[in-house]
Amino acid sequence: KNQVEQSPQSLIILEGKNCTLQCNYTVSPFSNLRWYKQDTGRGPVSLTIMTFSENTKSNGRYTATLDADTKQSSLHITASQLSDSASYICVVSGADAGNMLTFGGGTRLMVKP
Amino acid sequence: GAGVSQSPRYKVAKRGQDVALRCDPISGHVSLFWYQQALGQGPEFLTYFQNEAQLDKSGLPSDRFFAERPEGSVSTLKIQRTQQEDSAVYLCASSLASVYSYNSPLHFGNGTRLTVT
Repeated sequence: KNQVEQSPQSLIILEGKNCTLQCNYTVSPFSNLRWYKQDTGRGPVSLTIMTFSENTKSNGRYTATLDADTKQSSLHITASQLSDSASYICVVSGADAGNMLTFGGGTRLMVKP
Repeated sequence: GAGVSQSPRYKVAKRGQDVALRCDPISGHVSLFWYQQALGQGPEFLTYFQNEAQLDKSGLPSDRFFAERPEGSVSTLKIQRTQQEDSAVYLCASSLASVYSYNSPLHFGNGTRLTVT
């Protein structure tokens, strides 16, 4: 069964600090991996999309990495801001029919002043 | 430009009632997904449309759940005889091309929060 596991489940950091969120997956064959940010009461918003040939992708203070060999990805947030408080969801897309998108359970990040 | 619009934003239903949730995807988007998201969890896949064709409905939890997209644009998720375990946020997402396309990110609506009492 395809699975996407995220860690930690929740995280509290102080404003200005960096943090790294982890995503491990078992989806195969692999097509792409996406990170989404979901603010409370809102739908998820795309941060990055990476294929197997991409090791890193940045979007402002967000940097995602991908190791397709070990099936691991991370999302690094630099110089956190209060507005970064949200859930971060890792989504893996398979490359064949019936294997489309598998969502992780998310990491709930709280940034405190 | 308008994003994905879902209505109603909130819905309270008494157990046993039928509900209909609406999704207006971004104009021209081929793919449309419905997801169910329980509190504190990631979204769970319900069903997928490519234009008007429902290509995958494997995630629908029971035959009380029904989705349609008759003209390949607006979609409706209907839940018959609602039960308390149906309480969740129902998210709709659309993308310009097939989900397999690298350059086709999903655009989500803000969801409908369904509470069954």
